[in-house]
Amino acid sequence: EAGVTQSPTHLIKTRGQQATLRCSPISGHTSVYWYQQALGLGLQFLLWYDEGEERNRGNFPPRFSGRQFPNYSSELNVNALELEDSALYLCASSPDFYEQYFGPGTRLTVT
Amino acid sequence: RKEVEQDPGPFNVPEGATVAFNCTYSNSASQSFFWYRQDCRKEPKLLMSVYSSGNEDGRFTAQLNRASQYISLLIRDSKLSDSATYLCAVNSPSGTYKYIFGTGTRLKVLA
Repeated sequence: EAGVTQSPTHLIKTRGQQATLRCSPISGHTSVYWYQQALGLGLQFLLWYDEGEERNRGNFPPRFSGRQFPNYSSELNVNALELEDSALYLCASSPDFYEQYFGPGTRLTVT
Repeated sequence: RKEVEQDPGPFNVPEGATVAFNCTYSNSASQSFFWYRQDCRKEPKLLMSVYSSGNEDGRFTAQLNRASQYISLLIRDSKLSDSATYLCAVNSPSGTYKYIFGTGTRLKVLA
């Protein structure tokens, strides 16, 4: 069974630009979670999507947004990039709102 | 006080040793608990769920102490391959399904 996939693997942007990150969940999983993991810090919850709807969001500014498509894949958009947005962005999917399975992540570097 | 706290370590132990980590949580209404393993620059991988009755998977034992609000992970007969960062995750209550991760405990098993 294919795991969670994310693209791109690496992304380099300059301050002020927009970044789009993509995630495909495990087949049959309808929930997708996004996390930010900055260097030396833990996973910070960003967003939770289920059945196409945003169900919850963490303490991040509105320039972090996303959506979930009818096939349950998801997109995370970060507008007006700031240097401190440089981090590993992880997507996870879940079959039951409990156990989460992570993708390999997108490493975003903002210069 | 952080919602979920872990000793960052590192815990340096010889091969074959038994090592235990704790993870404390602040919200007494938390419902679900998990341990994840994260290798350097990789995504977290689900290690085990933590049930009220405790659970064991080979050399790994997880326990929940609701009265003192912590979960624990015990690793017996440590292997070099157990070297990683161990993250605990707590699922917030009330249907929000918002996961809070600890910052992780780093384990180094020495030959």
